[in-house]
Amino acid sequence: DAKTTQPPSMDCAEGRAANLPCNHSTISGNEYVYWYRQIHSQGPQYIIHGLKNNETNEMASLIITEDRKSSTLILPHATLRDTAVYYCIVRSIRKVDGGSQGNLIFGKGTKLSVKP
Amino acid sequence: DSGVTQTPKHLITATGQRVTLRCSPRSGDLSVYWYQQSLDQGLQFLIQYYNGEERAKGNILERFSAQQFPDLHSELNLSSLELGDSALYFCASSLGLAGAISSYNEQFFGPGTRLTVL
Repeated sequence: DAKTTQPPSMDCAEGRAANLPCNHSTISGNEYVYWYRQIHSQGPQYIIHGLKNNETNEMASLIITEDRKSSTLILPHATLRDTAVYYCIVRSIRKVDGGSQGNLIFGKGTKLSVKP
Repeated sequence: DSGVTQTPKHLITATGQRVTLRCSPRSGDLSVYWYQQSLDQGLQFLIQYYNGEERAKGNILERFSAQQFPDLHSELNLSSLELGDSALYFCASSLGLAGAISSYNEQFFGPGTRLTVL
């Protein structure tokens, strides 16, 4: 699985867009980019995932560069409750025996602090 | 609330002891995953079960074992505990059904069990 590189920390003003970068220069063709976040000591929470097209859901947008070597998670209007560690994970959606999907490999993530 | 429940929330025990952590997945989810989060190692995958059978193993110590029961709840057993086993232990579940290769069933994480070994 491709490795990812994220800045260890970022600050963002409340109400502004938070743009969290992730480098995954060794990503292969069948690997997706996933984002999860972990609010202090709670269980991680799925945000979004994508392959090569930009994706948007109710939580965030994911912008993947054309060469797929990097991506950016965008929280359009950050709130104090978005303060968390954000993990960028690159992994193939592969089915192991019986159809189950594999585990996640977490790096150190980016600690996003949203300030009033 | 993710729908995944874990008990107990906190556990304090002594070195050398054995403990059991319990996880109930979301209704309908067939896959259960166990992760360990310590200050120095971060979030690490331990083991995965799918519909009662072990499917993948990560950095799980031989002193640790797990199982998934017919009602799909899972237990993680930790024995001969050491100080370094102190950590947050998370359980996650996902639908885990076979389907289109591009479909992704997100993992839903429980609130975790905080284990302190003294």
